[in-house]
Amino acid sequence: AQTVTQSQPEMSVQEAETVTLSCTYDTSENNYYLFWYKQPPSRQMILVIRQEAYKQQNATENRFSVNFQKAAKSFSLKISDSQLGDTAMYFCAFMKHSAGANSKLTFGKGITLSVRP
Amino acid sequence: EAQVTQNPRYLITVTGKKLTVTCSQNMNHEYMSWYRQDPGLGLRQIYYSMNVEVTDKGDVPEGYKVSRKEKRNFPLILESPSPNQTSLYFCASSPDRGRYGYTFGSGTRLTVV
Repeated sequence: AQTVTQSQPEMSVQEAETVTLSCTYDTSENNYYLFWYKQPPSRQMILVIRQEAYKQQNATENRFSVNFQKAAKSFSLKISDSQLGDTAMYFCAFMKHSAGANSKLTFGKGITLSVRP
Repeated sequence: EAQVTQNPRYLITVTGKKLTVTCSQNMNHEYMSWYRQDPGLGLRQIYYSMNVEVTDKGDVPEGYKVSRKEKRNFPLILESPSPNQTSLYFCASSPDRGRYGYTFGSGTRLTVV
């Protein structure tokens, strides 16, 4: 079974600065996907970024980028130029790549990020 | 607008009174799933469906039922709700087994008293 660990329950960052959210996971799979989801106070789950495990290049989406270390099973999210709208809970999630199987997302416990004005 | 629609958004009910949370998607997605979110536990999968009439249990299926009679709809049924089913529920769908991520509904906050 896969597990996802987000060890920091809360973080705070000054507006316009950079913050990194950590995530580690445990799996015996070789092919899988990793995701970061954002849940603002509206509670909507919003996909921030995804990474395919067989791609060595780290994914980037505008101000959001990841540091994917496959051997270390680490998948951290970097938010640059933090904005007030980034205030939310962030979930790291794992999904194994397996045709015909349950394409289940395994989530971490989440981290609450507060951006200070 | 492409979306997953859940209803109701909030629900307070009493123990033992059957209820249904509806989920509908307008994107022709084959894959749909239900999750519950609890503080300190993240989201956990309840049931999933790979297509019409194909459903199976996730990690926490006890006390829940689902059906998939049409591609767009995937209701979650609580036959006899109990207080431990008080939670935030999400329906999600994907066209490609989630490889590019899931589209989530806006959530249903359920309280069972």
